[in-house]
Amino acid sequence: GAVVSQHPSWVICKSGTSVKIECRSLDFQATTMFWYRQFPKQSLMLMATSNEGSKATYEQGVEKDKFLINHASLTLSTLTVTSAHPEDSSFYICSARGTGSGELFFGEGSRLTVL
Amino acid sequence: AQSVTQLDSHVSVSEGTPVLLRCNYSSSYSPSLFWYVQHPNKGLQLLLKYTSAATLVKGINGFEAEFKKSETSFHLTKPSAHMSDAAEYFCVVRDSNYQLIWGAGTKLIIKP
Repeated sequence: GAVVSQHPSWVICKSGTSVKIECRSLDFQATTMFWYRQFPKQSLMLMATSNEGSKATYEQGVEKDKFLINHASLTLSTLTVTSAHPEDSSFYICSARGTGSGELFFGEGSRLTVL
Repeated sequence: AQSVTQLDSHVSVSEGTPVLLRCNYSSSYSPSLFWYVQHPNKGLQLLLKYTSAATLVKGINGFEAEFKKSETSFHLTKPSAHMSDAAEYFCVVRDSNYQLIWGAGTKLIIKP
């Protein structure tokens, strides 16, 4: 099946720094990518939807200036957590939808720990 | 609006016994429904999906789910649990914009 790769899978950073997480579709073109956040013992929360070449659409309550999303090509979307704080520590997962089927494929996730 | 309710936050079964993870949904139209599994520190994997074809859907690793419109349910089952099935399972409904609405998840514990 289709593969979506996230990098890094695990990152530890100091409070106040910025962290970039990449989401790549390896063998298909993804017109739409979604970014989710998973809090401990809770379900996934959709953060934003990004379409290639246009601005991301953020869900209510998600700070767009803090969570910068860029979808510059059909195979890459990035999530940058700016000025990270300990409360931003979480598991971030992306998913990508191909141009045809509409099926979503998920990345392995990136665990962010902010000290 | 669509919603998904997973009735059990934890399910514990002995290895070799049947597994039942319950999911109810609400939707204003005929939905697409999915079950995903997340093993510890790993990403999500699609187990199976229902998209208005056969109501009994077979997935990977011996799992299956039955779509019951009259009961608005999409319960996940497996005849015989294996230790490697220990994970968290998410029931998901897809809305008309292809966005996913997630259940809260059910943690499956397998006792030796």
